[in-house]
Amino acid sequence: SQQGEEDPQALSIQEGENATMNCSYKTSINNLQWYRQNSGRGLVHLILIRSNEREKHSGRLRVTLDTSKKSSSLLITASRAADTASYFCATVPSGNTGKLIFGQGTTLQVKP
Amino acid sequence: ETGVTQSPTHLIKTRGQQVTLRCSSQSGHNTVSWYQQALGQGPQFIFQYYREEENGRGNFPPRFSGLQFPNYSSELNVNALELDDSALYLCASSVAGPQETQYFGPGTRLLVL
Repeated sequence: SQQGEEDPQALSIQEGENATMNCSYKTSINNLQWYRQNSGRGLVHLILIRSNEREKHSGRLRVTLDTSKKSSSLLITASRAADTASYFCATVPSGNTGKLIFGQGTTLQVKP
Repeated sequence: ETGVTQSPTHLIKTRGQQVTLRCSSQSGHNTVSWYQQALGQGPQFIFQYYREEENGRGNFPPRFSGLQFPNYSSELNVNALELDDSALYLCASSVAGPQETQYFGPGTRLLVL
């Protein structure tokens, strides 16, 4: 079963604009991770944020985590056509062996 | 490039057959996990191996089984294939332990006819 829900399901923006994707989850977590997937191929790890962290940055990516609301957001600034992909949030539940529980994903299209 | 490889890249089988998918991770990656991704869905956890022992299993029937070998390679075996087993199968490995960043291979796309 899916842990979380992502919003929006699809997003279309122009190059240079910012893209924001949101993720909600149901159980307490050890950490939350964001992944990118191009055209149904393997997933690329973007960023990991731990349950005691509130914000994390990596290049043009900014991730926030609100454990009280069980939600996270991914912001991609100054988007590029190459950012076109599906983005997934995945949680590692507390006390779990480490399985990733994925949401349904957000499909991002960046138009040149 | 994650250094995780999977074989084969594509596979076509018929219902009732058996299939073995393979994954090779980098040296030192002590954790390997397998996921099934149906079209348009997020990946679903099948099982995880940590230091060659099963370390958790998702909601998949026993006909899905696996192994992790001392050389850090892994296999996923599926018996009695069903049409719904058609999916992208992803292998992921981690160097830092079961709860840390996982590095995914490119996947094996399985079609069951």
